Amino acid sequence: ETGVTQSPTHLIKTRGQQVTLRCSSQSGHNTVSWYQQALGQGPQFIFQYYREEENGRGNFPPRFSGLQFPNYSSELNVNALELDDSALYLCASSSPGQVKNEQFFGPGTRLTVL
Amino acid sequence: SQKIEQNSEALNIQEGKTATLTCNYTNYSPAYLQWYRQDPGRGPVFLLLIRENEKEKRKERLKVTFDTTLKQSLFHITASQPADSATYLCALDIGGNNRLAFGKGNQVVVIP
Repeated sequence: ETGVTQSPTHLIKTRGQQVTLRCSSQSGHNTVSWYQQALGQGPQFIFQYYREEENGRGNFPPRFSGLQFPNYSSELNVNALELDDSALYLCASSSPGQVKNEQFFGPGTRLTVL
Repeated sequence: SQKIEQNSEALNIQEGKTATLTCNYTNYSPAYLQWYRQDPGRGPVFLLLIRENEKEKRKERLKVTFDTTLKQSLFHITASQPADSATYLCALDIGGNNRLAFGKGNQVVVIP
């Protein structure tokens, strides 16, 4: 049990809608990274938040946005949903400077766009 | 372009044998490489990290090697057990601060 929680577990939306996914990081971790994992693929880096600021972004359009709160929990928002946005969305928490550079992943939110 | 390649075919292996997985990458210069395990419907779980100046790392029945000249990492599970059946992902550091690029993963099926 990693201590990273995500909500909701599953979500079904239609094309054009907006969605907000939530992540609570492991206690003591101030960095949250979001990944998109399509079926049969590895996770793809969306962006990372460190101390409430975006700290690096992958190759995702601006309709993917995020927030980090003072307690280090985070949200991922996706506007104007497209069918290809259907995927497992994973958040991972870590703490810079830790020896193992290990990321702790949550169970993910399965998003289906119809 | 940048690529991380893992064998797309599932590896079926008899219990007790050694499973060996390969991760090849191009156009990356990672400071470290990690291996994760992922079970269906779950998030990845960290297994091992190996740094660019390390040749080999071990943890219990797991062994990882890292050859920065060949741009390749090998992941070994010795004395494999049915409980080792899962998908194994290799991940490269892409600029520090635990930002990672993942391969597609390689499924391992251990047959009793």
